[in-house]
Amino acid sequence: AQSVTQLDSQVPVFEEAPVELRCNYSSSVSVYLFWYVQYPNQGLQLLLKYLSGSTLVKGINGFEAEFNKSQTSFHLRKPSVHISDTAEYFCAVSFPYGGSQGNLIFGKGTKLSVKP
Amino acid sequence: DGGITQSPKYLFRKEGQNVTLSCEQNLNHDAMYWYRQDPGQGLRLIYYSQIVNDFQKGDIAEGYSVSREKKESFPLTVTSAQKNPTAFYLCASSIKGLAGRTGELFFGEGSRLTVL
Repeated sequence: AQSVTQLDSQVPVFEEAPVELRCNYSSSVSVYLFWYVQYPNQGLQLLLKYLSGSTLVKGINGFEAEFNKSQTSFHLRKPSVHISDTAEYFCAVSFPYGGSQGNLIFGKGTKLSVKP
Repeated sequence: DGGITQSPKYLFRKEGQNVTLSCEQNLNHDAMYWYRQDPGQGLRLIYYSQIVNDFQKGDIAEGYSVSREKKESFPLTVTSAQKNPTAFYLCASSIKGLAGRTGELFFGEGSRLTVL
């Protein structure tokens, strides 16, 4: 079955420290990959996406992610976090050539808490 | 500005009452979606519609109903048959079609329903 696993439900980190939020997916076919961010009581906003090409993808707010096909991973990273990065982050995958009728499948989310 | 508008943002309902959540988009997107979000469970798909006058059940459609009479609008009714309706509801849209379909979703700000 196609699925997305976010390995950490909560990640506490101090301000200006680096952070990595982990995401693995299960699929034997081509995928599109996404990271979304959700601030409290708001909708989801796209951070970055991988469709094809370079495996290192840069997004908004200084975030980047690397697609690793052999490890079926798409981990999100930021070299130095700010208090304002405190939010919940969702990894998602879609399957352009079949599966889930092209709909996104979401992980359960990782809550990033940045402490001063 | 193009976007997705959900209303109301907060809604309270007594047990046994039906309520309708509004979702309007001016992005000219073909597909629209409703998700339910509960703490620690990520996003779960309730219903989606790829074209006017057509919609499909998602993973948790029981106790919900939708209509898609216009491209811009996709209202969700939470019926009294929904056993645990208190949740945060998110509406989303995406470009559909054979070309350029990535599954990327654009979200509204959400509606928080509380059953008293």
